[in-house]
Amino acid sequence: GAGVSQSPSNKVTEKGKDVELRCDPISGHTALYWYRQSLGQGLEFLIYFQGNSAPDKSGLPSDRFSAERTGGSVSTLTIQRTQQEDSAVYLCASRRTSGTANYGYTFGSGTRLTVV
Amino acid sequence: QQQVKQSPQSLIVQKGGISIINCAYENTAFDYFPWYQQFPGKGPALLIAIRPDVSEKKEGRFTISFNKSAKQFSLHIMDSQPGDSATYFCAASMQGKLIFGQGTELSVKP
Repeated sequence: GAGVSQSPSNKVTEKGKDVELRCDPISGHTALYWYRQSLGQGLEFLIYFQGNSAPDKSGLPSDRFSAERTGGSVSTLTIQRTQQEDSAVYLCASRRTSGTANYGYTFGSGTRLTVV
Repeated sequence: QQQVKQSPQSLIVQKGGISIINCAYENTAFDYFPWYQQFPGKGPALLIAIRPDVSEKKEGRFTISFNKSAKQFSLHIMDSQPGDSATYFCAASMQGKLIFGQGTELSVKP
C-alpha cells in the first residue's frame, strides 16, 4: 500500500483482557518497528523486525507483550492481561533497507489503546 | 548511554521568527540523526536528517546543525509559520533502531 496501515485506530478494552494490534507495512519494506507513545511523552521503542533475523525485543516492557511478523509483512502486537498503564498510542513504522543506506521510518497513524 | 535528551519541552514563537530545538546524546555509536514532525492524531513524519560527518544540512526553511565534539544537534526553523505548529522529535539511530527524544511542542502565533 501507499503507507503504513494500522488497525484498529482506537481500542477500548477492560483491564485484564487481551488485545491484538495490527500493522500492515509498506510493501517491500524489510524493517518493521513498534513504538509506544504515552500522553505527552516521547516514543518508547518496543520491538524491531529485520528480514528473517531474530527480532530485537529489548524494548518490550514485560512478558505480557509479544509481537510476531508473518511472512515478512504484516505484524501483530499482542498485549495479554492488559493493565491501565498500558493505555497509550501504539505506533508501527516500516523502513526500506539497502546496504549501508539509511532510509527514514514511515509511521502509521497508530492505535490508541485505552484500558478501563 | 542510549538516551537522547531534547529541549525545550514546549516553545512559542511568533510568525516569521526562528524556532530552535536542541538535542544531546551520549553514545558515539549513533550514526544517523533525523528529526520528525508530528501533528495531532497522526504518526510522526520524517522532516530532515543528518549524518555525523556533516556539520549542517538545510532543506528549505529547516536546518540541522550538528556538533560532533559536543554531541549535540539542533533544528532551526526559519520564518516559522502557524502551519509549523506541531510536536517535533529528534532521534538517533544505531544498528537500525531509532532512539527518540521526549519531543518539543511548538506553537507559532500569527
